Amino acid sequence: GDSVTQMEGPVTLSEEAFLTINCTYTATGYPSLFWYVQYPGEGLQLLLKATKADDKGSNKGFEATYRKETTSFHLEKGSVQVSDSAVYFCALSDRGYQKVTFGTGTKLQVIP
Amino acid sequence: ETGVTQTPRHLVMGMTNKKSLKCEQHLGHNAMYWYKQSAKKPLELMFVYSLEERVENNSVPSRFSPECPNSSHLFLHLHTLQPEDSALYLCASSQDLRSLAEAFFGQGTRLTVV
Repeated sequence: GDSVTQMEGPVTLSEEAFLTINCTYTATGYPSLFWYVQYPGEGLQLLLKATKADDKGSNKGFEATYRKETTSFHLEKGSVQVSDSAVYFCALSDRGYQKVTFGTGTKLQVIP
Repeated sequence: ETGVTQTPRHLVMGMTNKKSLKCEQHLGHNAMYWYKQSAKKPLELMFVYSLEERVENNSVPSRFSPECPNSSHLFLHLHTLQPEDSALYLCASSQDLRSLAEAFFGQGTRLTVV
């Protein structure tokens, strides 16, 4: 079945550091890929998505590129802020969009 | 403001209690969902409703009983829970089932079973 593997956290960075959170997936067919963010005390919010190979999703300074050859969708940001402290979830969806498989989440803590 | 509101935010209940979680959305969506979020585990989709009809029940124990009286409200009735049911329960809604991956989530109910 489909699965998503994320790097274990927590990840602790200083403000303005470069962020990478790794995500790899296993899926049949050609899934769509997503990153969600969960701020403390909140539900999940869709952060960005990519629907086909080589697509780059971006939002709020975050980027991720759909790499079919390495089955990866790593999340990056050039300069993190304290306000980026949250849990980040990688996920995939089948083409019918009727099933979403989530990773276990990676907690990011940004210190001033 | 996410448009999806869950109450209560926190709930502590004994194993013999009966309680209900409430979810309300004002987004005009036609699909609503219950998820269970446990530490270090992927989100688990529990129930799916489309146009007030249940379309999926992912092998959830009968001690969890959902109810969708209209397209704006979703309940999760709880009875005789176990300590391992302690988790964050998230409600979500989307325009339709095909928009599941772009659902809007509520803030969740943190449930502790003692």
